[in-house]
Amino acid sequence: DAKTTQPPSMDCAEGRAANLPCNHSTISGNEYVYWYRQIHSQGPQYIIHGLKNNETNEMASLIITEDRKSSTLILPHATLRDTAVYYCIVRGYNNNDMRFGAGTRLTVKP
Amino acid sequence: GAVVSQHPSWVICKSGTSVKIECRSLDFQATTMFWYRQFPKQSLMLMATSNEGSKATYEQGVEKDKFLINHASLTLSTLTVTSAHPEDSSFYICSARAPRGGGSQPQHFGDGTRLSIL
Repeated sequence: DAKTTQPPSMDCAEGRAANLPCNHSTISGNEYVYWYRQIHSQGPQYIIHGLKNNETNEMASLIITEDRKSSTLILPHATLRDTAVYYCIVRGYNNNDMRFGAGTRLTVKP
Repeated sequence: GAVVSQHPSWVICKSGTSVKIECRSLDFQATTMFWYRQFPKQSLMLMATSNEGSKATYEQGVEKDKFLINHASLTLSTLTVTSAHPEDSSFYICSARAPRGGGSQPQHFGDGTRLSIL
């Protein structure tokens, strides 16, 4: 699987959009970009995933660059409950497991 | 949505005892489940892949005789930490994926089991 690079930490003001970047410059054509988050002492929570096109669901939006070498997770109106570690993972169609990097610790401040 | 249930959520036991953790997929059949371990302030580390009806596949450095995995049905995988010692204290998390769709389908995670060995 391609490796990802994320900033170790970010802050965001409550109510503002949180934009979390992820670099995956070695991604290959059949690899999906997944985002999960982990709130303290809980299991990871699935947020969103995509292959080429931008995606949006009730939690977030995923913007993937045209060359697919990077992506951005957008939480449109961050709340205090969005404080968590956010993981960006790439996984191929034929790959079974999911491997986590260090992630980005997002702190939403009042 | 898909739900994975893990039990127990928290266990404390004496050194030398064995501890069993259960992972159930509640609304889908999972031919494959995964077990992770997470130490404080670290990321999740994949320990093993559990395959229904066959032997588990362990990651390098994970002792298969120490961490026994049984995947006896399409909805249940168990992890037994045998003869647990304080260094086995950790947060253990399982996950499962619906069988169809390969990498295009997300994995869903349990809420984890915090194991403390005294």
